[in-house]
Amino acid sequence: SYELTQPPSVSVSPGQTATITCSGDELGNKFVCWYQQKPGRSPVLVIYQDDQRPSGIPERFSGSNSGNTATLTISGAQAMDEADYYCQAWDTSTAEVFGGGTKLTVL
Amino acid sequence: EVQLVESGGGLVQPGGSLRLSCAASGFTFSRYWMSWVRQAPGKGLEWVANIKQDGSEKDYVDSVKGRFIISRDNAKSSLYLQMNSLRAEDTAFYYCARDSTDDGIPLAGHPHDSWGLGTLVIVSS
Repeated sequence: SYELTQPPSVSVSPGQTATITCSGDELGNKFVCWYQQKPGRSPVLVIYQDDQRPSGIPERFSGSNSGNTATLTISGAQAMDEADYYCQAWDTSTAEVFGGGTKLTVL
Repeated sequence: EVQLVESGGGLVQPGGSLRLSCAASGFTFSRYWMSWVRQAPGKGLEWVANIKQDGSEKDYVDSVKGRFIISRDNAKSSLYLQMNSLRAEDTAFYYCARDSTDDGIPLAGHPHDSWGLGTLVIVSS
């Protein structure tokens, strides 16, 4: 089965750049999206098709995908960005797959 | 405003059955693929199943194949998940999610642009 691997946690100081990675075999050949989930809330789509931002998502959120790694970048991280982040991809053999999630701490 | 409201969760014994519902509003339900995604308490997200606009295509994660059935009623703008032979490991919040589309075609990667609040299923004796 296809697997996506994320670091369990990432820490960043306010105003600095946070980088969250998502790794999978030949992930660059698939489209990746990212979700933000705050405690007690439903997930929110922040990036789709590797680097596209849905309307309403701040410009500080950006994405990239190449080789075996997709990356979510939050430029100028704010306290409100503290949340769990999940990557997701779709594979023909296993359909939809999520990464294990990364807890972003802004302090 | 897009709204997805799940219902039907609760406590059920191992081996039992439960039917989840998701009432959709604020968009043309029949134009979208829909999915169920679950999250065990304190754990990550897991895709469960999805269904095409007209119900002609369905897919499931391996762990629920043969036990869960996804269906929809476009006239009622509703999505369903019939869960049979429930196991302790099925305990989770179950979210209804809309698949993003471009003129009826799901976007590559099947991103979910709207989610419900979830309904909790607990499988325990």
